[in-house]
Amino acid sequence: TQLLEQSPQFLSIQEGENLTVYCNSSSVFSSLQWYRQEPGEGPVLLVTVVTGGEVKKLKRLTFQFGDARKDSSLHITAAQPGDTGLYLCAGGALGGGNNRKLIWGLGTSLAVNP
Amino acid sequence: DTAVSQTPKYLVTQMGNDKSIKCEQNLGHDTMYWYKQDSKKFLKIMFSYNNKELIINETVPNRFSPKSPDKAHLNLHINSLELGDSAVYFCASSQWWTSGAGELFFGEGSRLTVL
Repeated sequence: TQLLEQSPQFLSIQEGENLTVYCNSSSVFSSLQWYRQEPGEGPVLLVTVVTGGEVKKLKRLTFQFGDARKDSSLHITAAQPGDTGLYLCAGGALGGGNNRKLIWGLGTSLAVNP
Repeated sequence: DTAVSQTPKYLVTQMGNDKSIKCEQNLGHDTMYWYKQDSKKFLKIMFSYNNKELIINETVPNRFSPKSPDKAHLNLHINSLELGDSAVYFCASSQWWTSGAGELFFGEGSRLTVL
């Protein structure tokens, strides 16, 4: 069974601090996605990484895919209250036939206090 | 125009009742999904349809029956509701993916409360 472990589960920090969220697995994924979910809304895709070692930046957010495509990290620089939300990682799994699914982590709930 | 819209947003009902949630997407995607998010925020896939064909059915009780009349619509009917069915149900859509991963677009969710 493919699993994605996210850590930390909860994070409460002050505005301006840096933080890193980790997403780890023993399985290899075809890609890794990061989503952010705000209360009362559905998850919204932030980024997809597909190549081992790939790094993508989205303003103050930096995403990295592990060389072996088993893990990923999300680093936020100078966090702001607007970054508050639930961050979810999801690994792409291509199985035989029509089997395509995303394997989801449990999420990291981030609160950035002014 | 909302890309993925689902109705109703809130459902409060008694145990044993039957309820339906409707979903429509205007993104031209050919794959649609139903997810269940429990109180611990874990997203669990329930069903996936590609071009009206059921391709993922994840050990969901028979009381849950999805229906896709066309590739822009995916509805979920739930019979004999139980307390444990209380959750937020999300509809999502994506293009059919052959490498990497499909990028999912989610609706706002339908919060079901069973009393």
